[in-house]
Amino acid sequence: DTGVSQDPRHKITKRGQNVTFRCDPISEHNRLYWYRQTLGQGPEFLTYFQNEAQLEKSRLLSDRFSAERPKGSFSTLEIQRTEQGDSAMYLCASSFGPPLAFGSGTRLTVV
Amino acid sequence: GQQLNQSPQSMFIQEGEDVSMNCTSSSIFNTWLWYKQDPGEGPVLLIALYKAGELTSNGRLTAQFGITRKDSFLNISASIPSDVGIYFCAGLNSGGSNYKLTFGKGTLLTVNP
Repeated sequence: DTGVSQDPRHKITKRGQNVTFRCDPISEHNRLYWYRQTLGQGPEFLTYFQNEAQLEKSRLLSDRFSAERPKGSFSTLEIQRTEQGDSAMYLCASSFGPPLAFGSGTRLTVV
Repeated sequence: GQQLNQSPQSMFIQEGEDVSMNCTSSSIFNTWLWYKQDPGEGPVLLIALYKAGELTSNGRLTAQFGITRKDSFLNISASIPSDVGIYFCAGLNSGGSNYKLTFGKGTLLTVNP
């Protein structure tokens, strides 16, 4: 078990482009979370999956954001028409119960 | 919404000193967690607290779950240079199936060798 894996680690994109991030959770974990972290802040909850079902979405998750977990294993987070305000670290976490185990994150920079 | 107030915001200490940081909430939590984050990495769990009044140690780290369930503290004894990083508290109410965490803003710890 190598922990929660996220890809890519860094992404630089031009404003208006679409980006997609991938998360591979710890294999026996049925719960998967996406968080966003900006400089000087703690991580903020975006969305939560239990198996393949997306059960909760934060108000932070605008219509330009979509997350999937098609077979209850890996998950993708897509941001369409990126804006400069989307620049942040996107963290994935998984769990079976509390606590959550986090991946190393994807650092997104929108230029 | 729920907010966690974490203090201090930053600390500069000498190697070997003890450190104390705390977290307070406007709401009750039934689980408190402490994470450490290194630059460019995700948070790593240090200590989990599941019961009000609980005192738990992990090596040089000791954390307590406040009796009111609205606060928690973390102590680090005999600090070493690798203790440098950002320490986050996080609260959880696990009444449902969503173990959603609410994080504080972090305490930045710098240790001078």
